[in-house]
Amino acid sequence: QKEVEQNSGPLSVPEGAIASLNCTYSDRVSQSFFWYRQYSGKSPELIMSIYSNGDKEDGRFTAQLNKASQYVSLLIRDSQPSDSATYLCAVTFQDYKLSFGAGTTVTVRA
Amino acid sequence: EAGVAQSPRYKIIEKRQSVAFWCNPISGHATLYWYQQILGQGPKLLIQFQNNGVVDDSQLPKDRFSAERLKGVDSTLKIQPAKLEDSAVYLCASSPPGLVAGELFFGEGSRLTVL
Repeated sequence: QKEVEQNSGPLSVPEGAIASLNCTYSDRVSQSFFWYRQYSGKSPELIMSIYSNGDKEDGRFTAQLNKASQYVSLLIRDSQPSDSATYLCAVTFQDYKLSFGAGTTVTVRA
Repeated sequence: EAGVAQSPRYKIIEKRQSVAFWCNPISGHATLYWYQQILGQGPKLLIQFQNNGVVDDSQLPKDRFSAERLKGVDSTLKIQPAKLEDSAVYLCASSPPGLVAGELFFGEGSRLTVL
């Protein structure tokens, strides 16, 4: 059973701080890695994708991938109250099927 | 560009009743997905269509769930009879041809409560 695991949180950070979210996955032969943001009562929205080892930055978001450790993370710099949401890690495995983790809830304190 | 449209947004039914959800993907998106998201969990894929053909329905409880995508455009997901554990948000998503697998556009979802 292919799995994507995340700490459920909640993760509480003060405004302006860095929020660090972690995700591990079970299958070494994994293709692509994604972070979706889901506001309460809303649908998931893709915010980051990463396909190769290393870091990828997009504005205040940085995704980090380490395939050898089967680990992907998301850093949110200068956290804002509008970043308060659940962040879903998603992985496509060898069969190109997308599997989601349970999500980490982030609360940014003003 | 219009997003993925879903209806109804909310539905409350008694157990053993039936319900149907409708989805219209973004124009030109060949791939359509139905996900089930139970409160506190990540979305779980129920069925994936490529045009009007089924790509994956391995996690669809076929004794009670059915889905179709006639003409390769909009889609309907049906549950009959519903059980208490079917209470969830049913998310429809679509993706265009040529996009990396995993980059999905979600609709607002249909929230089902089974009493």
